Amino acid sequence: EVQLLESGGGLVQPGGSLRLSCAASGFTFTSFAMSWVRQAPGKGLEWVSSITGTSTNTWYADSVKGRFTISRDNSKNTLYLQMNSLRAEDTALYYCAQTQFWTAYDWGQGTLVTVSS
Amino acid sequence: QSALTQPASVSESPGQSITISCTGSSSDIGSYNYVSWYQQYPGKAPKLVIYDVSNRPSGISNRFSASKSGNTASLTISGLQAEDEAYYYCSSYTRTSTPWVFGGGTKLTVL
Repeated sequence: EVQLLESGGGLVQPGGSLRLSCAASGFTFTSFAMSWVRQAPGKGLEWVSSITGTSTNTWYADSVKGRFTISRDNSKNTLYLQMNSLRAEDTALYYCAQTQFWTAYDWGQGTLVTVSS
Repeated sequence: QSALTQPASVSESPGQSITISCTGSSSDIGSYNYVSWYQQYPGKAPKLVIYDVSNRPSGISNRFSASKSGNTASLTISGLQAEDEAYYYCSSYTRTSTPWVFGGGTKLTVL
């Protein structure tokens, strides 16, 4: 059974930083791309970033490009999202997802990021 | 504003069928078969119900079907049940600077 457990969310001031983690289990981690998808309170889903299994390629939404960095540690089966220069509009529940060909096959339960002074 | 356009809400009676549309462009749905659909209950994580335009993952009821025509993808749920009441999101690969886009979501109400 695929399990994805996000952590690292919390309250941060505008301009601050936060690093999210996603611990994966139940599948061969290196064989899958991974993604972060966020959902602002009461809003729809927004893709944030994706990374290939061997970290060869990364992609970012225009809204986070230059501020967020996706990475993974395959020895720890863990996905990361380093978020810098956070803005109020980054407030959302952040999901990690097992990804293949631009499809999110399994999702975690999410970690909440609140950007507020 | 989402790159993919979905109706904000749809409703139908139990036992009936409903189709949810997802309209994109020639940069996404019209050119690629990486169209997927997700079901989300309030307070829960999304769940994949359709991938690659019309394929169902293991465990998804065959009451869920999907297709695409031109720049529009469609999700059809037949034999509606109360448990189908949820939000549904489409997504697609797109050859723009943001390669993965989601629709704004559709709230399905089973009357």
